[in-house]
Amino acid sequence: EPEVTQTPSHQVTQMGQEVILRCVPISNHLYFYWYRQILGQKVEFLVSFYNNEISEKSEIFDDQFSVERPDGSNFTLKIRSTKLEDSAMYFCASRTDRGNEKLFFGSGTQLSVL
Amino acid sequence: DAKTTQPPSMDCAEGRAANLPCNHSTISGNEYVYWYRQIHSQGPQYIIHGLKNNETNEMASLIITEDRKSSTLILPHATLRDTAVYYCIVRVQYGNKLVFGAGTILRVKS
Repeated sequence: EPEVTQTPSHQVTQMGQEVILRCVPISNHLYFYWYRQILGQKVEFLVSFYNNEISEKSEIFDDQFSVERPDGSNFTLKIRSTKLEDSAMYFCASRTDRGNEKLFFGSGTQLSVL
Repeated sequence: DAKTTQPPSMDCAEGRAANLPCNHSTISGNEYVYWYRQIHSQGPQYIIHGLKNNETNEMASLIITEDRKSSTLILPHATLRDTAVYYCIVRVQYGNKLVFGAGTILRVKS
């Protein structure tokens, strides 16, 4: 079965630094998502992206966050100035544009902000 | 999207059927019921979804009551590898995001 690929699997950064989390969605998918999960908490929606623009975002997704699809294969999440509370597992997901298609999730990037 | 209610945890003996309930009493006519699971902080994994008819695939069966106010996910022969958090999610047709609740922690025991 095709997979969503995320890199790196672990990222450690200092508070205030910028980080970029990378995802390669499944090749024929058109909707892309970022979710995060703080340790012991729920999986939280951050943002969805379609047709080269953000289609929906949550309150968590403030000005410190941005997403980009820099080429035909990658989908990135940038955090401009990381905070301690940004420490979490970040999941990328993708799906086709058919109405009730399932989301495929990557295995996540564990971000630790020190 | 309608809210769902699931028990916080359940145990199941290995080899037996695991029946995971979900209440979605405020579901509306164009909302589908989706089930995902998350094994030990891996990415959520799709299991099955349905609108009003019962559904079956290679992983599980989904039984939706006639009034659609509740559903049950059935893993017919649970194994230790089925130990995970199971999420029942209601999502509108052509909806965008999935909203995850706390889910049910299923522990399969030998």
